[in-house]
Amino acid sequence: DGGITQSPKYLFRKEGQNVTLSCEQNLNHDAMYWYRQDPGQGLRLIYYSQIVNDFQKGDIAEGYSVSREKKESFPLTVTSAQKNPTAFYLCASSIDGETQYFGPGTRLLVL
Amino acid sequence: SQQGEEDPQALSIQEGENATMNCSYKTSINNLQWYRQNSGRGLVHLILIRSNEREKHSGRLRVTLDTSKKSSSLLITASRAADTASYFCATQSNDYKLSFGAGTTVTVRA
Repeated sequence: DGGITQSPKYLFRKEGQNVTLSCEQNLNHDAMYWYRQDPGQGLRLIYYSQIVNDFQKGDIAEGYSVSREKKESFPLTVTSAQKNPTAFYLCASSIDGETQYFGPGTRLLVL
Repeated sequence: SQQGEEDPQALSIQEGENATMNCSYKTSINNLQWYRQNSGRGLVHLILIRSNEREKHSGRLRVTLDTSKKSSSLLITASRAADTASYFCATQSNDYKLSFGAGTTVTVRA
């Protein structure tokens, strides 16, 4: 099956802790994206990568970090510097830089 | 930054009725896309309309784009319970990034 997967489905973060959200795709897409969604709001872009070993900050990158060492994988780390991390995190990929295919999301909660 | 704004914020209709939602945006675009999100799930791409197109159809979906008014509409005909979801417009300019609106929540009553 081709698709984009995110894990875990739910993640709990303690104060001062870094946590990493996984995003994997087997669609052979070059571009990958991370979004944050807060209740009643649209998606806001955190980071994106158009090719392996390259990524750019989106609109709300502060407190987050990413890596793109493999085409299939684009993990997102929510650092302790992100003071309000509770949100729904969505990963997406694209082959043409236009239409995006989304994973099922990870809900991050703070303990 | 969020460029698109959907209207209305919420819509409740009877099964079989049509649902119309609108999206307005502020700057020039290359294309505008509509996505659907079921509660607690990821987004699903519905349709893309380019800046040089005025109307596009896909099954029960009809999208219009008026670049002079910087607005788009999504029409869902003969709605079904399975159409209950949030619908988002997203605009794309030259930088390949998508800017999403806050969405319209559609409830289809049986």
